[in-house]
Formats: sequence, C-alpha cells, structure tokens
Amino acid sequence: DTGVSQDPRHKITKRGQNVTFRCDPISEHNRLYWYRQTLGQGPEFLTYFQNEAQLEKSRLLSDRFSAERPKGSFSTLEIQRTEQGDSAMYLCASRAPRQDRETNYGYTFGSGTRLTVV
Amino acid sequence: RKEVEQDPGPFNVPEGATVAFNCTYSNSASQSFFWYRQDCRKEPKLLMSVYSSGNEDGRFTAQLNRASQYISLLIRDSKLSDSATYLCVVNTAWRGSTLGRLYFGRGTQLTVWP
Repeated sequence: DTGVSQDPRHKITKRGQNVTFRCDPISEHNRLYWYRQTLGQGPEFLTYFQNEAQLEKSRLLSDRFSAERPKGSFSTLEIQRTEQGDSAMYLCASRAPRQDRETNYGYTFGSGTRLTVV
Repeated sequence: RKEVEQDPGPFNVPEGATVAFNCTYSNSASQSFFWYRQDCRKEPKLLMSVYSSGNEDGRFTAQLNRASQYISLLIRDSKLSDSATYLCVVNTAWRGSTLGRLYFGRGTQLTVWP
C-alpha cells in the first residue's frame, strides 16, 4: 500500500488521558498536514510540516496538542489531558513536492484516526 | 467569517436528476480550488480541481468566478453512487508560497434515491 497510513483507526479514551496518533505519509512526499474533523463540519487545519520542520500551526492547536516529525518521515500527534471536545476524526495528509494538474495538486489523505473521549 | 461557506443541504434527488452545489470563499488571495468527495466515515478524496475557464469531467462540471469568489459543482444524470458529502476546498498561499493549507467548507450532503 503506497497511500497515507494512520494508526490507530479508532481510539476510545477516558477524559484526562493522553493519546498519540501516528501518520506515515507517502514516502516521497515532503509535506505533511494534520486536520481535525468534527461531525457535520469540514476538516480544519491543525499543523503543517515540510520535512522535519513544523512551519505552521493553527490556533486550534492548543498547548495540550503537540505534533512532531522527527526525521521528516512519519509524524505523531499527541493530545494531553484529553477533553470531550477533542472527540473528532484526525486526518493526516501528505503532499508531493510537485503540484500540478497531473498530480491532482498532490494532496493525499489518510483514512483518519477517530477519537472518542468518554 | 469562515474562509469557505457552503450550504450543508441535505439535497435529496432522484436518479437521473441534475443537481448543483455552490460555495463562496472569503480570501481573494486564494489560489487553488477543488471539490472533494467524502463518503460516510471515510477520508476526503479529490473529485476535481476547479479552474476559471471551467472544467468538466464526465457528468461533473465545475466553475469558478473569481470576481464573485464563487465556486460551483454541477452533477448531471445523478447515480446512486453519487450519494456522499461534497466539500468545497480552497488553497491559500502562505507567506507568499504556494504551500498553504487547505480550507474546507462544511460540506453539502447529497442523497440520490432510486
């Protein structure tokens, strides 16, 4: 499978616990994005990496959230002290260096991690 | 004001119908425009890019009006398999680069019935 992989697919956790999600992008994609999607809404941008550098963070990314991409390959998103409002689908997308019509502008999404905080 | 505004629907149409969705975007600096399709509990998948000249892909036609900051999607001869949520998406440059984030509308839900 050469797509974007996310693990786990589903996570149920108790409020106050920490959770960590992993994203493995397409190998030649140097750009990686995290989005969050709640029910009935479109995905909202959280953060963006180019290689190992985190270049942009949304205001949605509170201090309880941290993302890393230590070697410019896979990325992790950690949520500390989870709250019920964190329940959502967390989507990872990667993007090819070349963006044009032929590559469909390069974005490929993973299947997401669905988090439920109880 | 949200970056991308989209009527959430739902739209319920019979097979064979023509249905149109539209959305507006607020940032005139937006550079790229897309329609994504999202099936229930699945990830979004690119349906088509949208160009100022308009573009067509089979039964799907997308239009962009930069002056009005308006994007549309027309689906002709609807099929049962077209039932999904259609997300209007814009890409805005960041610090002068083209590596910007995607802004999604909330999606328009379409159900095609037999």
